[in-house]
Amino acid sequence: AQSVTQPDIHITVSEGASLELRCNYSYGATPYLFWYVQSPGQGLQLLLKYFSGDTLVQGIKGFEAEFKRSQSSFNLRKPSVHWSDAAEYFCAVGNFNKFYFGSGTKLNVKP
Amino acid sequence: NAGVTQTPKFRVLKTGQSMTLLCAQDMNHEYMYWYRQDPGMGLRLIHYSVGEGTTAKGEVPDGYNVSRLKKQNFLLGLESAAPSQTSVYFCASSKPGQFGSEQYFGPGTRLTVT
Repeated sequence: AQSVTQPDIHITVSEGASLELRCNYSYGATPYLFWYVQSPGQGLQLLLKYFSGDTLVQGIKGFEAEFKRSQSSFNLRKPSVHWSDAAEYFCAVGNFNKFYFGSGTKLNVKP
Repeated sequence: NAGVTQTPKFRVLKTGQSMTLLCAQDMNHEYMYWYRQDPGMGLRLIHYSVGEGTTAKGEVPDGYNVSRLKKQNFLLGLESAAPSQTSVYFCASSKPGQFGSEQYFGPGTRLTVT
């Protein structure tokens, strides 16, 4: 069965600190992986995606993610967090016309 | 270019009432989706459409119906609303690609059923 697990519901980091958000997936076929960000009251915006090739992908706003097939993981990272990064982050796996989302990780940024 | 728009933004219904949520996209995307978002559960797919005149069930289709009469519009209907349908509803669209495609989301509709 297809599923996405984001084990951290809430994370708090200090501004300027590094960030890693975890994502593990279960998917029967070749996974196509995505990270989305949702600001309060807004829809979801794509941060980055992985289809194939280089396992380290770069996204918008200075985010990157690394695909590790052996661990079924697709963790999101940022070297230095800004206060404007406070939002909820969703990992998703899918193929063609169906996508499965994790339950989200809410990021708080301390000044 | 408005992207994906949803109407209405907020709605309060009484149990048993019906309503239709409208999603419109101006990107000429083939695929459209309806999701619901509930606290701690992420987004769950209700129904989706891979083209005009076609629809398919997603993960949680019960209590909802959809129609895709025009390529740019995807309607979500609740025939007899229940409190369990209180949620935030998101519409999304994407264009088909060999390796899947990113989805573009609307701003959401907050529905409360009392």
